[in-house]
Amino acid sequence: DGGITQSPKYLFRKEGQNVTLSCEQNLNHDAMYWYRQDPGQGLRLIYYSQIVNDFQKGDIAEGYSVSREKKESFPLTVTSAQKNPTAFYLCASSIRTGTNEKLFFGSGTQLSVL
Amino acid sequence: DQQVKQNSPSLSVQEGRISILNCDYTNSMFDYFLWYKKYPAEGPTFLISISSIKDKNEDGRFTVFLNKSAKHLSLHIVPSQPGDSAVYFCAASAGGTSYGKLTFGQGTILTVHP
Repeated sequence: DGGITQSPKYLFRKEGQNVTLSCEQNLNHDAMYWYRQDPGQGLRLIYYSQIVNDFQKGDIAEGYSVSREKKESFPLTVTSAQKNPTAFYLCASSIRTGTNEKLFFGSGTQLSVL
Repeated sequence: DQQVKQNSPSLSVQEGRISILNCDYTNSMFDYFLWYKKYPAEGPTFLISISSIKDKNEDGRFTVFLNKSAKHLSLHIVPSQPGDSAVYFCAASAGGTSYGKLTFGQGTILTVHP
């Protein structure tokens, strides 16, 4: 059935290490997004992509990188430059209906620092 | 600068009663508003939305009210059920070039007691 798949569910990062979070969707949505959730805070936008081979920085892009080589896939790399990576990461996708958007979210990846 | 605020971190109601969750925003460019429900360690799921051309939208037990002059929206759940216990996020979009970019509030934890 259609949806957004994030993997892994839990991920641990060592100091100085880059880690990559996977996000795959089979909804045929054009746009994909990465959000970060910290305890007691709302979701904050890291990166988004409206079309293949194009992506834009969100509000908190520093220390992260993305790629969009396929419509279905939008992996997020948390680099060693991200000094506070521990958070719950959410991937989403959307298709425009009329003039408004509705985002569909994956089940998330909890990243922790060892 | 928190453009979308949910000032109540938590709300507790009795089963069968009304739950009212509130959200305030500051950006006059926001023209589309959504409510999402989130369980722990899962991604948010879409509940209901409203365009700025309306002041009310209803879907079953859920009704969203928008007061543009006060920059305030609220979600009413009637009657509340124990399964409604979750974190509720309001989100806003400015449309246009903000295509799909949602700004989220901090969330309100709703607990419905049997």
